[in-house]
Amino acid sequence: AQKVTQAQTEISVVEKEDVTLDCVYETRDTTYYLFWYKQPPSGELVFLIRRNSFDEQNEISGRYSWNFQKSTSSFNFTITASQVVDSAVYFCALSEESSTLGRLYFGRGTQLTVWP
Amino acid sequence: DTEVTQTPKHLVMGMTNKKSLKCEQHMGHRAMYWYKQKAKKPPELMFVYSYEKLSINESVPSRFSPECPNSSLLNLHLHALQPEDSALYLCASSHPTDDSSTDTQYFGPGTRLTVL
Repeated sequence: AQKVTQAQTEISVVEKEDVTLDCVYETRDTTYYLFWYKQPPSGELVFLIRRNSFDEQNEISGRYSWNFQKSTSSFNFTITASQVVDSAVYFCALSEESSTLGRLYFGRGTQLTVWP
Repeated sequence: DTEVTQTPKHLVMGMTNKKSLKCEQHMGHRAMYWYKQKAKKPPELMFVYSYEKLSINESVPSRFSPECPNSSLLNLHLHALQPEDSALYLCASSHPTDDSSTDTQYFGPGTRLTVL
């Protein structure tokens, strides 16, 4: 079974629009960690955020914000006032406390295209 | 500094060639990872080294041979590859406090490998 589901395969928006990328996870561990990575066309996976299961506070970093809700097993990512440079594939990932060396379970990724 | 470097950026090789991919980090991280990523797919874990010892081998074919000469360096030796091995190869590092802990993985820019 897929541990991380990113149901949106592709999203297209026009610059300055807000966009939310969905992530739903599944785990039996009580301690786990959630991540978002950005992969621009150059290929590097850029770390954006890490959240542990005991910290449900939402986080804002500039135009980026994250909404973690344990009740719905979701960790959604919102970009406010999107820009062309936000165009990339975004991966949500889960690491469980029971995993060795922080093994990451990735979702399939969401391709975001921001048009000028 | 969260930099992981990888060389070469691009590599084209024939099925009879022997080549190596190199990964380096100077963050004092003690875990290093190799991932393979095909187009439009998430990264797939191949190998994990912890404190310079191979900890995880995800049943990778023997034509891929990892090596960790020291705590900063990780190599992936390639021999007799197949065209289906063409992919982006990503290296990552993290700093777990023990084999079961989770720390953020930081990725390098990757090597785009083409096997002819």
